[in-house]
Amino acid sequence: DAKTTQPTSMDCAEGRAANLPCNHSTISGNEYVYWYRQIHSQGPQYIIHGLKNNETNEMASLIITEDRKSSTLILPHATLRDTAVYYCIVRVARLIIQGAQKLVFGQGTRLTINP
Amino acid sequence: GAVVSQHPSWVICKSGTSVKIECRSLDFQATTMFWYRQFPKQSLMLMATSNEGSKATYEQGVEKDKFLINHASLTLSTLTVTSAHPEDSSFYICSARPVRTGEQYFGPGTRLTVT
Repeated sequence: DAKTTQPTSMDCAEGRAANLPCNHSTISGNEYVYWYRQIHSQGPQYIIHGLKNNETNEMASLIITEDRKSSTLILPHATLRDTAVYYCIVRVARLIIQGAQKLVFGQGTRLTINP
Repeated sequence: GAVVSQHPSWVICKSGTSVKIECRSLDFQATTMFWYRQFPKQSLMLMATSNEGSKATYEQGVEKDKFLINHASLTLSTLTVTSAHPEDSSFYICSARPVRTGEQYFGPGTRLTVT
């Protein structure tokens, strides 16, 4: 899996948009960008993933640069419950070999939403 | 949909005893399950990948005789920490991947404390 680089921590005011950057300059053509988050003492929660087009769901938006070397996760209206560690992971998505494509977590970004 | 449960959610055991942790996919069948370990203020570290009906694949540095993994059915995988020691105290998290998809869903985690 390609390596990702994220800021260690970020702060955001409640109600504002939280923009979390991720650098993945060595991403391969068949690798997707996945975002998970982990609220304290819970298992990781899937947020969104994408290949090259921007994606949006009920939780967030994912903006991937044209060269795919970086991306930004956007939480449009952050709430206190969005305080968590956010992980950006790149890997192939299509199941090719059973047991492959494991998710390898980096250090993530600790996002704190302030009232 | 795609709910993964773990049991127990927390356990305290004496040094030298063995502890079994269960991971179940509640509403889907999972041919592949993953076990992670997370120490305080650190990221998740993949311990092993298990495929239903076959032996688990352990990551480098993980003792297979100490962390016994059984994936006997498409909805259940177990992790047994044998002869536990205080340094095995950690947050253990499982995840499951549905048949024929690349997504991965995480359980809520099990906090193990060895005294």
